[in-house]
Amino acid sequence: DSGVTQTPKHLITATGQRVTLRCSPRSGDLSVYWYQQSLDQGLQFLIHYYNGEERAKGNILERFSAQQFPDLHSELNLSSLELGDSALYFCASSTNRLAGNTGELFFGEGSRLTVL
Amino acid sequence: AQKITQTQPGMFVQEKEAVTLDCTYDTSDPSYGLFWYKQPSSGEMIFLIYQGSYDQQNATEGRYSLNFQKARKSANLVISASQLGDSAMYFCAMSSDSSYKLIFGSGTRLLVRP
Repeated sequence: DSGVTQTPKHLITATGQRVTLRCSPRSGDLSVYWYQQSLDQGLQFLIHYYNGEERAKGNILERFSAQQFPDLHSELNLSSLELGDSALYFCASSTNRLAGNTGELFFGEGSRLTVL
Repeated sequence: AQKITQTQPGMFVQEKEAVTLDCTYDTSDPSYGLFWYKQPSSGEMIFLIYQGSYDQQNATEGRYSLNFQKARKSANLVISASQLGDSAMYFCAMSSDSSYKLIFGSGTRLLVRP
């Protein structure tokens, strides 16, 4: 158990719909990262929040948005869903204590989104 | 720009033998970190090992060791005494002072044969 909690674990929805994925980081971790993993592919970085502020943005679509709340949990909002958005969405947290400005990431179990 | 390359899409290894998974990286930052993660078929991402760019010695964690060759910009993962449970996808990743994120390679699927 990494200590990172993601909900829901599975989600099936239709094209055009909107969903919200939720993440609670490990206790004490200020950084939250979101990654997308499509079928049999690597992890694509979406966005990073540190203590409530957006710190880095990757290849995140305009239809997607995220935020980190004062209690440090984070939400990833996906709207106008398309078939290609079907993927495993990971949240990860870290302490930012190692060289390279990023500690080891502790991943949640992921939210598997299926868009039909 | 930072880049991580894993050139082995898939590999086989016999149980109890050692295996090396390749990873090369590119960055202009002097301070960076290199990571390896394991993703079993169940999907979770498991942190294995970390190497800092200024670390003098290669990192080791149990049966995992990281063969860090800074001049060649390589950070290969060595798994000794492979076990059936080592069958999984393995991802190399890198962070750096300027990036504020961890970028991942495309992964290597390892299959351990009994």
